[in-house]
Amino acid sequence: AQKITQTQPGMFVQEKEAVTLDCTYDTSDPSYGLFWYKQPSSGEMIFLIYQGSYDQQNATEGRYSLNFQKARKSANLVISASQLGDSAMYFCAMRRGNNNAGNMLTFGGGTRLMVKP
Amino acid sequence: SQTIHQWPATLVQPVGSPLSLECTVEGTSNPNLYWYRQAAGRGLQLLFYSVGIGQISSEVPQNLSASRPQDRQFILSSKKLLLSDSGFYLCAWSAGQRNSPLHFGNGTRLTVT
Repeated sequence: AQKITQTQPGMFVQEKEAVTLDCTYDTSDPSYGLFWYKQPSSGEMIFLIYQGSYDQQNATEGRYSLNFQKARKSANLVISASQLGDSAMYFCAMRRGNNNAGNMLTFGGGTRLMVKP
Repeated sequence: SQTIHQWPATLVQPVGSPLSLECTVEGTSNPNLYWYRQAAGRGLQLLFYSVGIGQISSEVPQNLSASRPQDRQFILSSKKLLLSDSGFYLCAWSAGQRNSPLHFGNGTRLTVT
């Protein structure tokens, strides 16, 4: 079975500084995908970034980058130059292998990020 | 562009009453559709997914059911709500590619009293 673990229930970061949100995963599938989502207090889930297990380079998307360490089974999200609007819950998720029955995601428990002015 | 609509935004229902939450997607055809539930302060749990009209797969046994009467319509139902059904329900769609993210609706906050 697949499992996603986010060990930081909450984190503070000073505005304009960088922050790393941890995510470790466990899977026996050779092919998988990792996603990060942001959930503001309004509740909507916003897709941030994707990393495929066979991707050679770490994914980047604007101020978001993914520190993918395959041997360690970790996929940490790095947010550079934090902004007040980055305060939200952040979820790491993993696509369930090479399934043909839908692009289902398993989610971690989330990390609440609070950006201090 | 694709959009996903989910309603109602909030709902308060008594125990034992029926439930119907609706989700529709625009701007794409034959999407994969999903219903997730989120307990307060927790991650998301997959309830149902569908890869086509009339095709529903359930992830967890419960008193909820799902239906997909049209290509871009996904409905979550219950005949009799339980207190434990309270939570935040999110509908999502994705394209068929392996790197396709899930795109979520704005969610329905259900309180069963």
